[in-house]
Formats: sequence, C-alpha cells, structure tokens
Amino acid sequence: QAVVTQEPSLTVSPGGTVTLTCGSSTGAVTSGHYPYWFQQKPGQAPRTLIYDTSNKHSWTPARFSGSLLGGKAALTLSGAQPEDEAEYYCLLSYSGARPYVFGTGTKVTVL
Amino acid sequence: EVQLVQSGAEVKKPGESLKISCKGSGYSFTSYWIGWVRQMPGKGLEWMGIIYPGDSDTRYSPSFQGQVTISADKSISTAYLQWSSLKASDTAMYYCARFSPCDYWGQGTLVTVSS
Repeated sequence: QAVVTQEPSLTVSPGGTVTLTCGSSTGAVTSGHYPYWFQQKPGQAPRTLIYDTSNKHSWTPARFSGSLLGGKAALTLSGAQPEDEAEYYCLLSYSGARPYVFGTGTKVTVL
Repeated sequence: EVQLVQSGAEVKKPGESLKISCKGSGYSFTSYWIGWVRQMPGKGLEWMGIIYPGDSDTRYSPSFQGQVTISADKSISTAYLQWSSLKASDTAMYYCARFSPCDYWGQGTLVTVSS
C-alpha cells in the first residue's frame, strides 16, 4: 500500500511564497497520479484547489498553483494571505484496488 | 448549482447499524463518481471508497473493505455509506465528494459511537 508524504508544517510570511510537496512511497509522482490539492480550515469541509496536477477550479485563488517538482507533486502559494492559514492535503490516484490515497497533510501558518 | 447534501449527525451505540446519505443535485448524478472520506477527531483525511451511480461500480480502500458498504440509489440521486456493526473507532466526520475530477464536497456527517 502506498504511503503519501507531506511536510507536517510550514510557515510563510504575509505576502511571501511557500511550496508544499507530496511524495509517494512507490516512486516518483507523475501526471498519471492525477495529483489533487485540498484546503481545509478548522470546522469546515475540505475545498478542492487543484486537480490533475495543475488545473484550477473557478473558485481557486490565482495565488495557488500546482506542478510536478523533483519527483513530487507541488503546491505553490505566492503572495500568502492570512486567510490561507489552513491544513493542506494532496491526493494521488493509483491503479488497481486502491484508486486514491490522501497525503499526511501540511499545516500552513501565515505569520 | 451543484450541491451535495449529507444527512445529519448521528449518535449510536457499539454494535448498532447505521446508514448515512449524500444527496446530489444540480447535475447528472449518474455521470460522476461519488467518493467517501473519513476524518477521525484531530486527524487527517482518509479515502474510503467510491461509487459510480450510473452502474454501481464500487471500489474500496483495502483499509475499509469489509468494514463498510457503499451504495447508491440513482432514482433519488443519493449515495450511501453504511455499517452493520459500529465500533467506537468509527467515531469520525464523514464527507462525500463528487469525483472525476474531485470538485464539490458535502458538508460532512458527524458519527459518534459511544456506549
């Protein structure tokens, strides 16, 4: 069973840039894992920010972008705002009996 | 407007059965997968399984296979997650979400299992 790993916590200054990564125990993350990124604030349901590596939904703020970086999926937040303080999860798609696996989550603090 | 509306919070005893629901509206319910996600108190998201209401094709995470049953009634645009015998460790928030791609989420159903 694949394990999907994220940084436990990251801190970014207001207006600053931070990159979160998402790695797989099975090897390099590729576009074939169709990486997703979700934002979850306390007491709220998750919100989908990015799908298929880099595609945004209509509600995704322009300051968020997705990519592949060094064998991992990456979420970059450029120009962090106080309201971006949240937990962020990635989700990878795998073939076979377990189509999806969530990452361990990254708590982003804007300070 | 696409919406996924989940059933309300439940308080159950160990050993009881439970079925929670997720009703879709504002789109063709049979054309998208519906997935279920568990979040235990203070913990991360866990992918449980997924169903395609169009033909009831269902896939489970190995961690949840045999522990829960996912089903759907396309005539009323509703997906279900059910347990035959709850345990205290099933206490969690459960979310449904529309998949492929994953975009809209339900508001969550809190399930509390306590004697």
